Amino acid sequence: GDSVTQMEGPVTLSEEAFLTINCTYTATGYPSLFWYVQYPGEGLQLLLKATKADDKGSNKGFEATYRKETTSFHLEKGSVQVSDSAVYFCALSDLRTSGTYKYIFGTGTRLKVLA
Amino acid sequence: GAVVSQHPSWVICKSGTSVKIECRSLDFQATTMFWYRQFPKQSLMLMATSNEGSKATYEQGVEKDKFLINHASLTLSTLTVTSAHPEDSSFYICSARRSGPSREQYFGPGTRLTVT
Repeated sequence: GDSVTQMEGPVTLSEEAFLTINCTYTATGYPSLFWYVQYPGEGLQLLLKATKADDKGSNKGFEATYRKETTSFHLEKGSVQVSDSAVYFCALSDLRTSGTYKYIFGTGTRLKVLA
Repeated sequence: GAVVSQHPSWVICKSGTSVKIECRSLDFQATTMFWYRQFPKQSLMLMATSNEGSKATYEQGVEKDKFLINHASLTLSTLTVTSAHPEDSSFYICSARRSGPSREQYFGPGTRLTVT
């Protein structure tokens, strides 16, 4: 079945460091891919998305490229800030045989940025 | 746009009682709403998918009679945890999807349920 695998955290970086959070997926169809961010005590917020191969999603300095050949959607940011400290979830959305969409989330990666 | 609210944001109840959680799409019509459960430091587990005016579709292993879902209108879905037990304590998150081809979900802020 479909699945999403992300690197385990926590990831601890100094401010202005480069960030990469790896995400790979398996899917039977042609999924859309998402990165969500969750701040403490809050729900998830969409960070960026990509709907087809080679699409690059970007927002707030974060980027991720849909790589079909490597089934990956790694999240990157060139210079992290303390305010980026949160949990990041990689997710996919794929069509079930029933015609409804299913959403699969990775286990989340906690990022801590130190001043 | 695309704001989803949940009420209450947190609730404490006694074992054996029932608790209702509301999920509302404030500025759009949601043909589909989703209910998730999140355990501490873990990912979201999809519990059920509800479409306005029809019965919810539950994921495998989720008890339909325990987690009652009602999607009565295009802006409101409710989750009722019946006869709650301490093991039901968790963070419950809803999300909503607009009608149309986009697969994007908009998430509510979550409801923390503690059963004593």
